[in-house]
Amino acid sequence: EVQLQQSGAELVKPGASVKLSCTASGFNIKDTYMHWVKQRPEQGLEWIGRIDPANGNTKYDPKFQGKATITADTSSNTAYLQLSSLTSEDTAVYYCARNPITGGHFDYWGQGTTLTVSS
Amino acid sequence: DIVLTQSPASLAVSLGQRATISCRASESVDSYGNSFMHWYQQKPGQPPKLLIYRASNLESGIPARFSGSGSRTDFTLTINPVEADDVATYYCQQSNEDPYTFGGGTKLEIK
Repeated sequence: EVQLQQSGAELVKPGASVKLSCTASGFNIKDTYMHWVKQRPEQGLEWIGRIDPANGNTKYDPKFQGKATITADTSSNTAYLQLSSLTSEDTAVYYCARNPITGGHFDYWGQGTTLTVSS
Repeated sequence: DIVLTQSPASLAVSLGQRATISCRASESVDSYGNSFMHWYQQKPGQPPKLLIYRASNLESGIPARFSGSGSRTDFTLTINPVEADDVATYYCQQSNEDPYTFGGGTKLEIK
């Protein structure tokens, strides 16, 4: 069974950094692209970027360049999202999602990680 | 960036009736004979769920009440007949061009 298990909720102070994880089971992340999506409270979905775990290549929405860094560890079948210089604007739920090689749609999603940035 | 405009922002439909949601792209999302437009359903407190991929392909396990159509810049998600469990927010998403983008969402309620 395909599953994406995300790390737990985070409460972080402004200016700090945080690294969220997404551990896959039931498939090898090297066979897909892994994406991260942001959803602010009561708002819509924003694509942050993706990684090809097979070679480490990444692509970001320019809005998140400098804010987000996506990495992957194929030995643990895990994708990561690091967010830096956090502000209240980064308070959101962050989802990881899988995209099969054959298309740009997201067929499996993690349960989401709630990030709260507050002093 | 490709901007996706969904309409309406919200709609109320009676049980057993048809719901139609539109998604208009600021430029074509077609390539290589495919339309790279996808639809998701999101219920409160849950991640989005894939309903339709590449405009008209029903994801495995999704009821046939859901269907998608369209090409180039104009796409439609239809739910017919609407059931109580369909109360949710629906999003379109394009993957034809980086950065991937989502529509603003359509909230479906029961009348």
